[in-house]
Amino acid sequence: QQQVKQSPQSLIVQKGGISIINCAYENTAFDYFPWYQQFPGKGPALLIAIRPDVSEKKEGRFTISFNKSAKQFSLHIMDSQPGDSATYFCAASRGTGNTPLVFGKGTRLSVIA
Amino acid sequence: DADVTQTPRNRITKTGKRIMLECSQTKGHDRMYWYRQDPGLGLQLIYYSFDVKDINKGEISDGYSVSRQAQAKFSLSLESAIPNQTALYFCATSGASRGNEQFFGPGTRLTVL
Repeated sequence: QQQVKQSPQSLIVQKGGISIINCAYENTAFDYFPWYQQFPGKGPALLIAIRPDVSEKKEGRFTISFNKSAKQFSLHIMDSQPGDSATYFCAASRGTGNTPLVFGKGTRLSVIA
Repeated sequence: DADVTQTPRNRITKTGKRIMLECSQTKGHDRMYWYRQDPGLGLQLIYYSFDVKDINKGEISDGYSVSRQAQAKFSLSLESAIPNQTALYFCATSGASRGNEQFFGPGTRLTVL
């Protein structure tokens, strides 16, 4: 049973464009939704996270949109740059860190000039 | 200095051999995790530990065992390695005071021939 479904598996975006990655979850007890960014040869690193008491969180060019009723959340990367080329993972967990994160399968983003 | 270190970084071994992957952290976190990453499958949780006396199975624990030797050290063992355990392995840590943000090590690339 896949608790967090992520799409698309891969994405190619022109420089300056908007990259959008979507995730859907099943467990309504989830209350923490982070996005991790992984560059080749490196471990994943936290990019941005949201809790369900807000519908959107923005940090620079990165925005999480959260739809609690649809059980979906998405990552938007505005003005995408070649340096954003990486693999992105969504994740979810419940409680304040008392359960492990459940990760999506990842999206490989390529930003081309 | 890296906060989460993994040794070895690369390892090639043969079917049937016992392998140990080691993880150390200087972040003072009480929670530690082992993940396996395969292309297209994302990050799959193998084992996790919330303190020295706590060990929990993840979604793919079969064929693996762990040891939490100290708060800062968490080792993963493959008792009898098989080719389908060829993968990238990541250790991660998190602290109760930081919610559920996980900090990943640089990974160990394991090849089982």
